[in-house]
Amino acid sequence: QKEVEQNSGPLSVPEGAIASLNCTYSDRGSQSFFWYRQYSGKSPELIMFIYSNGDKEDGRFTAQLNKASQYVSLLIRDSQPSDSATYLCAVNKGAGNMLTFGGGTRLMVKP
Amino acid sequence: DAGVTQSPTHLIKTRGQQVTLRCSPKSGHDTVSWYQQALGQGPQFIFQYYEEEERQRGNFPDRFSGHQFPNYSSELNVNALLLGDSALYLCASSFGQALALQYFGPGTRLTVL
Repeated sequence: QKEVEQNSGPLSVPEGAIASLNCTYSDRGSQSFFWYRQYSGKSPELIMFIYSNGDKEDGRFTAQLNKASQYVSLLIRDSQPSDSATYLCAVNKGAGNMLTFGGGTRLMVKP
Repeated sequence: DAGVTQSPTHLIKTRGQQVTLRCSPKSGHDTVSWYQQALGQGPQFIFQYYEEEERQRGNFPDRFSGHQFPNYSSELNVNALLLGDSALYLCASSFGQALALQYFGPGTRLTVL
């Protein structure tokens, strides 16, 4: 079992729809959770982070964390073609700063 | 406010050679982490430097080594290059140690022939 798992996709959604990206993790002691966006040929860009159970909203993005289910998700409202990218889920287990990444989900937003 | 910078952008080496990659952290950051990202995969943690010492290390062989300088910049050295070392090497900077936000540089694309 991988430590951080994501569906590789591609996830295809029409423009204006809600895109839902999911991530599960295996270490119950994990403390903080991050979503990075990576355009093709570019480096990851931090878009959201969440530490506590529940929802955290920032503009069109909402991160959701459920530690009991070991599940974290990212919702993108009013998806735009410019949101088309690979979304990486990363987990920090709390020992130092090391991030463990999932393999990423490729999102395609079609006009 | 300068972000994380890395050099060089691209590099081509042959098997058995050695390579040095460089990273300057974002202004105000004191911690540098290095990741390797193979094509189609998520980044994998190599190691992290703080106060000029290696603080954490991922599952990478001793061929991978690093250094942090007093100005917080860092180098990643890879010896005896293998074809499998071909990847995007990412540097991430952060402030402090615990649960810190990490920001990535543009990366160095290493190709080993």
